[in-house]
Amino acid sequence: GAVVSQHPSWVICKSGTSVKIECRSLDFQATTMFWYRQFPKQSLMLMATSNEGSKATYEQGVEKDKFLINHASLTLSTLTVTSAHPEDSSFYICSAPAAGMTDTQYFGPGTRLTVL
Amino acid sequence: GQQVMQIPQYQHVQEGEDFTTYCNSSTTLSNIQWYKQRPGGHPVFLIQLVKSGEVKKQKRLTFQFGEAKKNSSLHITATQTTDVGTYFCAKGAQKLVFGQGTRLTINP
Repeated sequence: GAVVSQHPSWVICKSGTSVKIECRSLDFQATTMFWYRQFPKQSLMLMATSNEGSKATYEQGVEKDKFLINHASLTLSTLTVTSAHPEDSSFYICSAPAAGMTDTQYFGPGTRLTVL
Repeated sequence: GQQVMQIPQYQHVQEGEDFTTYCNSSTTLSNIQWYKQRPGGHPVFLIQLVKSGEVKKQKRLTFQFGEAKKNSSLHITATQTTDVGTYFCAKGAQKLVFGQGTRLTINP
């Protein structure tokens, strides 16, 4: 089946630094990818929709200047958390719709970000 | 947007007991999806329900979609330790809105 990978799987950084997270579709193309955030013991919340070749669309309350999204190719979307602070510590998960099955999402393994 | 309410938040059972989690929406849903997330893992797609009154089974898992397409349930018969995890329902097509999840723990 379709596989979505994320890199890195975990990262620890100092407050004020920026962190880039990659999301790749390994055996299929994804013109759209989605970024979710999950705080401990909570549900997944959609942050933004990454669109290949165009600007990302952000959900209400998500700062686009803080969470930069770049969908550089049909298999890669990146999320950069700029000037990270401890409250940005979370589990960031991307997803991509399965080819030919628009209602089925494949999720990446997630990236656990800890900001000290 | 309209949320999907999921209950219970936690459920602890003895191995072999049954388990059910419920999702409710105030609006009619076009579809509902179910995911399982193991501790430390990512959500894994289980199933999608589309039709009113639909019932689907996957081994010990039974998924139901209400007649009014406003509620859904996931029932696990005779739980096993491998069933441990958080079960989420989600509405939407590509942009998913997740329920709060039900965390299932099992006493072996």
